[in-house]
Amino acid sequence: AQSVTQLDSQVPVFEEAPVELRCNYSSSVSVYLFWYVQYPNQGLQLLLKYLSGSTLVKGINGFEAEFNKSQTSFHLRKPSVHISDTAEYFCAVSLGSSGSARQLTFGSGTQLTVLP
Amino acid sequence: NAGVTQTPKFRILKIGQSMTLQCTQDMNHNYMYWYRQDPGMGLKLIYYSVGAGITDKGEVPNGYNVSRSTTEDFPLRLELAAPSQTSVYFCASSLGLAGRSDTQYFGPGTRLTVL
Repeated sequence: AQSVTQLDSQVPVFEEAPVELRCNYSSSVSVYLFWYVQYPNQGLQLLLKYLSGSTLVKGINGFEAEFNKSQTSFHLRKPSVHISDTAEYFCAVSLGSSGSARQLTFGSGTQLTVLP
Repeated sequence: NAGVTQTPKFRILKIGQSMTLQCTQDMNHNYMYWYRQDPGMGLKLIYYSVGAGITDKGEVPNGYNVSRSTTEDFPLRLELAAPSQTSVYFCASSLGLAGRSDTQYFGPGTRLTVL
């Protein structure tokens, strides 16, 4: 079974500073990797996903993530954050195989707070 | 398209009461899912469905039931509410592409409190 670990539960950062949100996964088979964002009192919205190919994935709102197979990591980065990026960010993994429903396993989330 | 809609937005139940959380999607997706999100935790899968008439248990199904009579609707039933079911419930749907990636689209959630 796969699992996801988000190493930081809270990340405060000043506006216009860079940020990295860390995610590690464990799985014995190939996986698909996702980052979702949850703004206050809203549902989850997909930021980006890794399926195969280039290990650097670009998403919406200037975010990007890099898949590192040897480190089993999928860290999320943004070079310059805005106040509006304040939200909870979830890393998730699903099995990269055909057939059954894409059951997502989520990490516990990282609360990003951008300070003025 | 409205996407995935959930009703109600908020609900308070007494222990032992029952209720149904409604979920509807208008994207003609085959797959639908129910998750619960507890404070400080990630989402955990309760039940999922790969098509009308087909449902299966997820990670935390105890205390819940589902049905899928149409492609659009996937209601979640709580028969005997318990305080441990206090949570935020999210419904999601995806196209259901076998062998390919499958983005899940989430509803806005239902915040349930059991007292």
